[in-house]
Amino acid sequence: DVKVTQSSRYLVKRTGEKVFLECVQDMDHENMFWYRQDPGLGLRLIYFSYDVKMKEKGDIPEGYSVSREKKERFSLILESASTNQTSMYLCASTGTGGMGTEAFFGQGTRLTVV
Amino acid sequence: GENVEQHPSTLSVQEGDSAVIKCTYSDSASNYFPWYKQELGKRPQLIIDIRSNVGEKKDQRIAVTLNKTAKHFSLHITETQPEDSAVYFCAASLTGTASKLTFGTGTRLQVTL
Repeated sequence: DVKVTQSSRYLVKRTGEKVFLECVQDMDHENMFWYRQDPGLGLRLIYFSYDVKMKEKGDIPEGYSVSREKKERFSLILESASTNQTSMYLCASTGTGGMGTEAFFGQGTRLTVV
Repeated sequence: GENVEQHPSTLSVQEGDSAVIKCTYSDSASNYFPWYKQELGKRPQLIIDIRSNVGEKKDQRIAVTLNKTAKHFSLHITETQPEDSAVYFCAASLTGTASKLTFGTGTRLQVTL
């Protein structure tokens, strides 16, 4: 019953590489999010999108970009990976319920930059 | 933007005791406050949420309270069990188009036998 799927569970990349993290949801949700999870820092929002081709910066967008060409797919791009981007990345999606709706998360991608 | 603070960062209770996790938020316009549970190696999942038009909500052993005046909300777990051991995140958001969830830093709850 998987609803949000991230393309990789584990990734190891070299410093300076361009990295793509993919997320697909099958719930026809309008909103999609990329979070970064680090111990003691919780879930920090990198970017989110509320419609196809629309994107908004979150709290820590530096060093990242995103792409949403189709409603069901939201990609996170690390233009030039650095070691401080080693982290767990979580994708999530929500619908547009009037008074708040549940966020569904992907299984996470643990990225290591060496 | 919204800022959510969560305390404590770790909490250890004996099985059967109660656990309380507290969060404060900064944006008085926020009107939706969910709580997520993340078990080890798994994705966060919603366990309970509360909207700004109510002060308390209960679901079996878990309850959430909201004080809009003070801008804080709390998660209460009664009769804790080992399977309650996990990391719990609070969050706040202003619903509507382009709404985003801002999370707290998480509380690691350990229920000991």
